[in-house]
Amino acid sequence: DAKTTQPTSMDCAEGRAANLPCNHSTISGNEYVYWYRQIHSQGPQYIIHGLKNNETNEMASLIITEDRKSSTLILPHATLRDTAVYYCIVRAYTGTASKLTFGTGTRLQVTL
Amino acid sequence: DGGITQSPKYLFRKEGQNVTLSCEQNLNHDAMYWYRQDPGQGLRLIYYSQIVNDFQKGDIAEGYSVSREKKESFPLTVTSAQKNPTAFYLCASSTTGTGAAAFFGQGTRLTVV
Repeated sequence: DAKTTQPTSMDCAEGRAANLPCNHSTISGNEYVYWYRQIHSQGPQYIIHGLKNNETNEMASLIITEDRKSSTLILPHATLRDTAVYYCIVRAYTGTASKLTFGTGTRLQVTL
Repeated sequence: DGGITQSPKYLFRKEGQNVTLSCEQNLNHDAMYWYRQDPGQGLRLIYYSQIVNDFQKGDIAEGYSVSREKKESFPLTVTSAQKNPTAFYLCASSTTGTGAAAFFGQGTRLTVV
């Protein structure tokens, strides 16, 4: 599975959009981009995933560049409860179980 | 409620004892996983199972064992052979379809003294 690069930490003011970047320059054509977040001492929470088209759900939007070498997770109106570690993961569908490989993620701090 | 249940949330054991962590899901998912997380680190895969009565080693399987006798259940045993068992253990499940996302339980924090 392709390796991802994320900033170690980011800050965002409450009510503003949080834009979390992820670089995955070695991504292959059959690899999906997944985003999870983990609030301290809890299990990771699935946010969104996509292959090549932009995706939006009730939590966030995922913007994938045309060459698929990078993506951005957008939380449109960040709140204090969005403070967490955000993980960007790429994984190929191989017809087997989802062996997600987690890096160290981006620690997002939302402030008043 | 549908979801993944891990129990207990906190577990203490004496060194040298085996301990079994429970993971149950009612999402009708075929695949289940166990991850380990150490402070300030990402998750590392211990074992995973694609279907009942089948499981494979992940990246750090030494000192652990699992069973998958029922679709809903995937217990993890931390044996005395695991050198550093104190950690946060996370169970997940997913379908095995294209682009399937995995969903996680709330974890069990194991402390071995």
